[in-house]
Amino acid sequence: QKEVEQNSGPLSVPEGAIASLNCTYSDRVSQSFFWYRQYSGKSPELIMSIYSNGDKEDGRFTAQLNKASQYVSLLIRDSQPSDSATYLCAVNKLSGGSNYKLTFGKGTLLTVNP
Amino acid sequence: EPEVTQTPSHQVTQMGQEVILRCVPISNHLYFYWYRQILGQKVEFLVSFYNNEISEKSEIFDDQFSVERPDGSNFTLKIRSTKLEDSAMYFCASSEVGTSGPSNEQFFGPGTRLTVL
Repeated sequence: QKEVEQNSGPLSVPEGAIASLNCTYSDRVSQSFFWYRQYSGKSPELIMSIYSNGDKEDGRFTAQLNKASQYVSLLIRDSQPSDSATYLCAVNKLSGGSNYKLTFGKGTLLTVNP
Repeated sequence: EPEVTQTPSHQVTQMGQEVILRCVPISNHLYFYWYRQILGQKVEFLVSFYNNEISEKSEIFDDQFSVERPDGSNFTLKIRSTKLEDSAMYFCASSEVGTSGPSNEQFFGPGTRLTVL
């Protein structure tokens, strides 16, 4: 079983719509969850972090975490063409005493059409 | 806004040669990391570093790799004898000190694209 799974996409939404990105993880001990945005050829840029169950909102972005289901999602409201990028889900694993490394999913490619 | 910087942006080398990739972490951060991303694949953890020693390393980080903080600002990754499969983007990241250990949020530099011929 893959540690962090995401649909590779592409996910295509019209400008102004809500984009919904999903991620599941296999290690129940995982404590911290992150969404990074990566434009083609660029580095990951941290956009959201979430640590407890429920929703966390920051501007047009809302992260949702459900530890019982081992599921984390990212909603982007009022999607803009500039949101077109690959969105990486990352998990900080605490199992085995490791609280340093991030484990990434392969990412979901989002395309926002004008 | 403080940011992680990396040099060079692109490094081309011959197989078997040594390369050193350089990073300047965010100034008040004390935890440093290297990740790599082979083209089309996911970002993979290589190593974490704190207080002048390796905190954790992955299976990828074998004896050909080493890290060093040669002075108060730079953090380097050395690959002693490069292989074709080392071709990838190498990202440096840093995080500040949290309440117990590193802060969870890691900030990435722009990366060095390493091409091994």
